[in-house]
Amino acid sequence: QSVLTQPPSVSGAPGQRVTISCTGSSSNIGAGYDVHWYQQLPGTAPKLLIYDNNNRPSGVPDRFSGSKSGTSPSLAITGLQAEDEADYYCHSYDSSLSGYVFGSGTKVTVL
Amino acid sequence: EVQLVESGGGLIPPGGSLRLSCAASGFSFSRYEMNWVRQAPGKGLEWVSYISSSGSTTYYADSVKGRFTISRDSAKNSLYLQMNSLRPEDTAVYYCARNVLLAHYFDSWGQGSLVTVSS
Repeated sequence: QSVLTQPPSVSGAPGQRVTISCTGSSSNIGAGYDVHWYQQLPGTAPKLLIYDNNNRPSGVPDRFSGSKSGTSPSLAITGLQAEDEADYYCHSYDSSLSGYVFGSGTKVTVL
Repeated sequence: EVQLVESGGGLIPPGGSLRLSCAASGFSFSRYEMNWVRQAPGKGLEWVSYISSSGSTTYYADSVKGRFTISRDSAKNSLYLQMNSLRPEDTAVYYCARNVLLAHYFDSWGQGSLVTVSS
């Protein structure tokens, strides 16, 4: 069972906006640790999508954005495209575990 | 170009041992902290272990503590994961992943190596 909780799936039509939440606890997100997001396309390794809550690495389209309002981080995809169909994971550090934790993963489906 | 290439996976019976390797190239390996992350078939990502740039500090997930050992050889630009007392629930694709300098996220991942624990 994952330490960080995400909705199992979200879906939207092309061009729409979808958001993915990531819920943690007082030893990770609630303790102020940054949240990062990864995209995993089918059959491939994860790819860094958002780091330090709301920063995009070079090459990541600006339709992907992250936010961390209080202790509720989320990933938003605006202008959804067919190529965005993938699994998305949030990631943070947990002080009580002295290690990294991942979200349970969210499958994004483009209708 | 940063490259991480895992090897050493395979089919192993329960209770057996296996050592995974991750060959790094395209960057100064000795400067970077490294990790192992695994993904069971059809499941999500699970962080397994961390090693500091010097190799002096290591951390493990509770699920593998006491059974797995992470190590590195900077002369060979390689990261290792020694896995002992393997269980069926250790079946997964194992990825090596690089920490961004002085940060807690992973900017480069290998392609993964499949470990199957089954009799």
